[in-house]
Amino acid sequence: NAGVTQTPKFQVLKTGQSMTLQCAQDMNHEYMSWYRQDPGMGLRLIHYSVGAGITDQGEVPNGYNVSRSTTEDFPLRLLSAAPSQTSVYFCASGRGASGSTDTQYFGPGTRLTVL
Amino acid sequence: RKEVEQDPGPFNVPEGATVAFNCTYSNSASQSFFWYRQDCRKEPKLLMSVYSSGNEDGRFTAQLNRASQYISLLIRDSKLSDSATYLCVVRGNNRLAFGKGNQVVVIP
Repeated sequence: NAGVTQTPKFQVLKTGQSMTLQCAQDMNHEYMSWYRQDPGMGLRLIHYSVGAGITDQGEVPNGYNVSRSTTEDFPLRLLSAAPSQTSVYFCASGRGASGSTDTQYFGPGTRLTVL
Repeated sequence: RKEVEQDPGPFNVPEGATVAFNCTYSNSASQSFFWYRQDCRKEPKLLMSVYSSGNEDGRFTAQLNRASQYISLLIRDSKLSDSATYLCVVRGNNRLAFGKGNQVVVIP
């Protein structure tokens, strides 16, 4: 199993550009989520999904969209990048519909800089 | 009040010594508790779940105190490879809340 994969590993954007961060898992996990990690802030939940076709907002959803058309993929879209979105983004997955009761497996992260 | 609070440290620990640190949580209805380990510029990985009766995994011991709403992690006989940030994670309201982490630096 590849586990949770994320692409790209690094990205530099200009303010106002849009882009999609890709996340895929091959463990057949129902629960997937996106976090951002900023210095001194810890991980904050952006969006999550309890299964294909179902998504919900987390703690800091503004400026981001998600979709879950398949169990395997959970892309995160930045609509119009802002410098405040400079961060490290982690995708995670877990078993079960609630998912958060089980071990969360994290991808290697995407380091995003918005100029 | 933050949902999960941790003293970021760093905790400088001589090799072979014992280090312990706590994490407090604000939601008394929290249901599950975990410690994750995060190495520098890497993703978090589960270290251990924390059970009501306390649990041990090798040199690592986790405790839960529901009355005072804190969990603790103790590392015995610290190794250089234990240098990392330890994230306290609490489940409540069907999602996970992460603390900022306790940074541990084991010194030779």
